Amino acid sequence: DIQMTQSPSSLSASVGDRVTITCRASQSLSNYLNWYQQKPGKAPKLLIYAASSLQSGVPSRFSGSGSGTDFTLTISSLQPEDFATYYCQQSYSTLTWTFGQGTKVEIK
Amino acid sequence: QVQLQESGPGLVKPSETLSLTCTVSGVSINTYYWSWIRQPAGKGLEWVGRVTASGSTNYNPSLKSRLTMSVDASKNQFSLNLRSVNAADTATYYCARDDGSGWFLDWGQGTLVTVSS
Repeated sequence: DIQMTQSPSSLSASVGDRVTITCRASQSLSNYLNWYQQKPGKAPKLLIYAASSLQSGVPSRFSGSGSGTDFTLTISSLQPEDFATYYCQQSYSTLTWTFGQGTKVEIK
Repeated sequence: QVQLQESGPGLVKPSETLSLTCTVSGVSINTYYWSWIRQPAGKGLEWVGRVTASGSTNYNPSLKSRLTMSVDASKNQFSLNLRSVNAADTATYYCARDDGSGWFLDWGQGTLVTVSS
């Protein structure tokens, strides 16, 4: 299986801060990397697909970058509604898709 | 607007079979790919498996020996059957849609399944 490792596991930030979350894969994914946001008690929501493509309806303050094994999700100016847990997911291997362990973004 | 809704028992006894159904509205089930994803309380996401209307399946290797997924196109539904469950299968189960590219475009609200006697 392809292992996905996110860092940090949690972070505290203030409204208006620039936030960066990293996802590292155990092997090259090309650009087959996706990002989701999950709020408590809710289903995950797709933010970014294919490493850098913004899903329709997602605010432009969210962006993704990277290729190969190293990827980042950036929130350019954190808003109150962005406090949530973020997951990366690889869609490179059709044998099994895997998620990172999650990064919880909390209010400082 | 695509909507997915999970249904099924919230409590299953150890060694029995967990059976869930996802009802899809707003799009034909014949058009896309359909997955189950689960999440134990307070933990991360685990992809369970994927099915198409043609009956093609991909299963998580860790669950493959116990798992069957199928589609009922006449009802626009797909289902999951997980045999011989144990406490480690306790989780919120989500159904989700992907367009073949492997990212999950739409999700159900999730249903909590507890394995306990």
